[in-house]
Amino acid sequence: DAGITQSPRHKVTETGTPVTLRCHQTENHRYMYWYRQDPGHGLRLIHYSYGVKDTDKGEVSDGYSVSRSKTEDFLLTLESATSSQTSVYFCAISDGTSGGRSTGELFFGEGSRLTVL
Amino acid sequence: AQRVTQPEKLLSVFKGAPVELKCNYSYSGSPELFWYVQYSRQRLQLLLRHISRESIKGFTADLNKGETSFHLKKPFAQEEDSAMYYCALSGYNFNKFYFGSGTKLNVKP
Repeated sequence: DAGITQSPRHKVTETGTPVTLRCHQTENHRYMYWYRQDPGHGLRLIHYSYGVKDTDKGEVSDGYSVSRSKTEDFLLTLESATSSQTSVYFCAISDGTSGGRSTGELFFGEGSRLTVL
Repeated sequence: AQRVTQPEKLLSVFKGAPVELKCNYSYSGSPELFWYVQYSRQRLQLLLRHISRESIKGFTADLNKGETSFHLKKPFAQEEDSAMYYCALSGYNFNKFYFGSGTKLNVKP
């Protein structure tokens, strides 16, 4: 498995509380992604990063923010969690070194299961 | 806008039978297509990609630009093929990846 870890792996929280999920990689890959996985919807892109301090929105970015201050860490924050954000969150990384072309393969973390009561 | 459609939520076949998992896409440009698989208690992982023209674990997928499809096929299904399969697309620069809703394949003995 690629060196990618997510924390926490499980979290239960209450509506209105802030939540931060962390993704840490040891592969020095340029691209990092946050997806949510929901039955019937598959994987939907929340935000992604193409470098330190460089991020962009995905399909379902409302209610989420991200930060990437170091190559290895990509944080996903729910400022005020809602029940609709109950989901399994996956971090993924992809190569694509500067000046080179990515192979296009995503490597996934094990997922973080978030329950918002 | 980009979209990946997998019409079947669940596909059940018997061992040894052929299997085809359907994937249709819409994309304004030339997409790169992929199939990802998630086995029970394992991480989501790449199965195959269009650009490599490869066959992995007996699976193949042909890109049909006229029908905007990228169906995944295997002539003889095995029980170990039981998993969740996702079709995905990206632009030529591989910066964003979009996934379908997934098809759960159940291969019965």
